[in-house]
Amino acid sequence: EAQVTQNPRYLITVTGKKLTVTCSQNMNHEYMSWYRQDPGLGLRQIYYSMNVEVTDKGDVPEGYKVSRKEKRNFPLILESPSPNQTSLYFCASSGVLSYNSPLHFGNGTRLTVT
Amino acid sequence: AQRVTQPEKLLSVFKGAPVELKCNYSYSGSPELFWYVQYSRQRLQLLLRHISRESIKGFTADLNKGETSFHLKKPFAQEEDSAMYYCALNAGGTSYGKLTFGQGTILTVHP
Repeated sequence: EAQVTQNPRYLITVTGKKLTVTCSQNMNHEYMSWYRQDPGLGLRQIYYSMNVEVTDKGDVPEGYKVSRKEKRNFPLILESPSPNQTSLYFCASSGVLSYNSPLHFGNGTRLTVT
Repeated sequence: AQRVTQPEKLLSVFKGAPVELKCNYSYSGSPELFWYVQYSRQRLQLLLRHISRESIKGFTADLNKGETSFHLKKPFAQEEDSAMYYCALNAGGTSYGKLTFGQGTILTVHP
C-alpha cells in the first residue's frame, strides 16, 4: 500500500534530550516535507526537501534539523527539545509537488516535551 | 513573504445550506493554490487545486487574483462535509516547494 509512515505516533520526552522522528515513503517521491500543527496557528512548514541531499527551510525551522540521505527517508531531528516544540507533527511527500502530484500525509506524531 | 489567511476558525451551517470557506493570500508571484481537508480520524488529503478548475465532492474554488482570494464553496452542504479545511499556497521561483498553509477552518454541518 502506498503510504507515508511516521514513527513514533506518540512521544513524551524531557527538555534537552535529543530525539528523532522518522518519516518514510514507499512511492518513490522526490519531494518530502515536515509540518507542525498547533491550535490557532494551523499547519506550518518546518523543512522541505526537493530531492536527495537537497533541503530547505520552511517557515519555522528553528530548533529542528533534517537530512535526506536517501529518497525514501526524511527524519526530523530535535537536538535539544524545548516545551515550545510540543506539537503535532506531520510528514508529507509528493512526486514533484505539481498540480498532478498532491501531497500525501503521514498519520502524525504527537510530541510532548516536559 | 507569502502568507495565507483563513479568517474563520469555526464555521457552522445546516445541512442543505450553502457554505463558503474564505481564503486570502499574499504573494508577489503567480501562486499555486490548494485546498486540503482533514476528516475525523483520517489523514490530511488534497481536495482541490486551482489550476484544474474541478469540482470535488460538490466543492469548487476560484482563484481571484484581483482580490487575492481562493474561497471554497459548496451550494448544498452535507453532514459528511464536516472537517478541518486548510488553504495552502506553493511558492514559485527559487522557493518552489515552500508551502504555506492557512490557520484552518473547522466546518460543522448540522442535520
